[in-house]
Amino acid sequence: DSGVTQTPKHLITATGQRVTLRCSPRSGDLSVYWYQQSLDQGLQFLIQYYNGEERAKGNILERFSAQQFPDLHSELNLSSLELGDSALYFCASSGGTTAYNEQFFGPGTRLTVL
Amino acid sequence: GEDVEQSLFLSVREGDSSVINCTYTDSSSTYLYWYKQEPGAGLQLLTYIFSNMDMKQDQRLTVLLNKKDKHLSLRIADTQTGDSAIYFCAESTGANNLFFGTGTRLTVIP
Repeated sequence: DSGVTQTPKHLITATGQRVTLRCSPRSGDLSVYWYQQSLDQGLQFLIQYYNGEERAKGNILERFSAQQFPDLHSELNLSSLELGDSALYFCASSGGTTAYNEQFFGPGTRLTVL
Repeated sequence: GEDVEQSLFLSVREGDSSVINCTYTDSSSTYLYWYKQEPGAGLQLLTYIFSNMDMKQDQRLTVLLNKKDKHLSLRIADTQTGDSAIYFCAESTGANNLFFGTGTRLTVIP
């Protein structure tokens, strides 16, 4: 158990809908990262938050947004969903206390868009 | 941009050594990592190496880094069935986010 929790575990929805994925980082970790794992694109970095502020942005679509709240949990919002958005979405957290910046991954949310 | 490549599949017999290879393109990588993903689970950091090192050993794991050729490898000695998983190499540069390879699915045959 990494200490990172994600809800829900599975999500099935229809095209055009909007969903929110939730992540609670390990206790004390200030950084939260979101990754998308799909069959055709592999594992891709989407976005990072540090203590409530956006720190880095990767291949995140404009239809997607994220935020980190004062209690450090984070939400990833996916809107106008398309079939191609079906994927595993991972959240990771890190404390930034080590030079090699170990990231601890949650179990993921599997999103299926029908 | 960063490009990290791995072969997709590797099969080995139990007790043999496994070698998983990775190539990357970003010469400014500071740390390189190996993550393991078991079925239905998230990724777990196995080991990492700083870019100024050539080799790192951690129990059954040996990481070799050839910075000139931008080649990273992970050797697992005495491979066990519990080692069956997908192995990702990843790199980071100045920023903290990780760029992952495609993953190598290791199958250990009893």
